Amino acid sequence: NAGVTQTPKFRILKIGQSMTLQCTQDMNHNYMYWYRQDPGMGLKLIYYSVGAGITDKGEVPNGYNVSRSTTEDFPLRLELAAPSQTSVYFCASSYGGLATIDTQYFGPGTRLTVL
Amino acid sequence: AQTVTQSQPEMSVQEAETVTLSCTYDTSENNYYLFWYKQPPSRQMILVIRQEAYKQQNATENRFSVNFQKAAKSFSLKISDSQLGDTAMYFCAFMNYGGSQGNLIFGKGTKLSVKP
Repeated sequence: NAGVTQTPKFRILKIGQSMTLQCTQDMNHNYMYWYRQDPGMGLKLIYYSVGAGITDKGEVPNGYNVSRSTTEDFPLRLELAAPSQTSVYFCASSYGGLATIDTQYFGPGTRLTVL
Repeated sequence: AQTVTQSQPEMSVQEAETVTLSCTYDTSENNYYLFWYKQPPSRQMILVIRQEAYKQQNATENRFSVNFQKAAKSFSLKISDSQLGDTAMYFCAFMNYGGSQGNLIFGKGTKLSVKP
């Protein structure tokens, strides 16, 4: 049971480039989330998903897109990278959402730098 | 809008001693949940403890306990018998019951150093 895995661990992008951050969980969790953590700050929710085929925006969705074609995978897409997207990105998952107030389990993070 | 404030950017404690981390929050809601997450240098976010607002009893998990003061909107974390492995960033987080799914609101964190 690997939990939540993320790839890559580190990435440097040039302004205007695109990339996909991968996230996979093997706990059969319904809910998955993408957060970003800027230096000296807490985490902010980018997008979340309540199940395969269903996604919704969080607090800071601009500049990102997501998809959820399977229960296990929840990739985050950056289309036109900007310096403001330099951050550490965390993927998380939980079995239930608010109804069960289930614990969110986090991946190890991806450190992204946009130059 | 809900906000979470952690007023102590950094704290240190001697091994085996007790330390308390502060957290205050602002909300007009009555039903919500509060969490403390630990983020060690490995960057993995680990849930330490959680509290449901409707419960008057303070949550406890081994050496970790909270002092939940609903009227004062305060949610402090007490770590007893501090260990070197407790060295980490600690984040207080709020989730509104019935709001956006998974919309955790985090504070800026407190960096805790446990000294031998």
